[in-house]
Amino acid sequence: GEQVEQLPSILRVQEGSSASINCTYENSASNYFPWYKQEPGENPKLIIDIRSNMERKQTQGLIVLLDKKAKRFSLHITDTQPGDSAMYFCAASRDNNAPRFGAGTKLSVKP
Amino acid sequence: GPKVLQIPSHQIIDMGQMVTLNCDPVSNHLYFYWYKQILGQQMEFLVNFYNGKVMEKSKLFKDQFSVERPDGSYFTLKIQPTALEDSAVYFCASSLTGGSNTLYFGAGTRLSVL
Repeated sequence: GEQVEQLPSILRVQEGSSASINCTYENSASNYFPWYKQEPGENPKLIIDIRSNMERKQTQGLIVLLDKKAKRFSLHITDTQPGDSAMYFCAASRDNNAPRFGAGTKLSVKP
Repeated sequence: GPKVLQIPSHQIIDMGQMVTLNCDPVSNHLYFYWYKQILGQQMEFLVNFYNGKVMEKSKLFKDQFSVERPDGSYFTLKIQPTALEDSAVYFCASSLTGGSNTLYFGAGTRLSVL
């Protein structure tokens, strides 16, 4: 199947702490795992991605981890700020197929 | 960055009518997608389109749905006839080289079927 599961659906953290979102996928042939951030009333925007030839990628306070054996990948936001509050979607795709998205995580960062 | 334009931003129609949602993708992109989102929740894949053809579609892409991109102009999603459950925000996206690359999303069209 093409299902992508994402947890938690709601995440509330204190400013300055870290936030973690976890996703699992069904299709072992999936080779591309993007993360999108969507602010209220806006379009989703890519924030970071990882391909299946990597296990870890980091950029600007974001870390993504990929465990192909477990078919699991995760996003970690370090030192969260109020501006990080948004919906976050993980996705998985293979080759030229369209990405399938998880159900989303609503992150709220309290000042 | 690259922009995908969607027209209109909001469309209200009566159940049973036809509606066409328009998308102006990034100019050099070759792959086009429609996703459906209800109440800011899951982005559900509908269809992707390449080289004038539907490449893949989901179960949500009912027989009443169709897509086309005549002569490289707008990439359109047509729903005929519409049903109440079609009310949602429809996002168009495009990418340069397929689903394993960055998708650029439009701002969405909010469709309200009454």
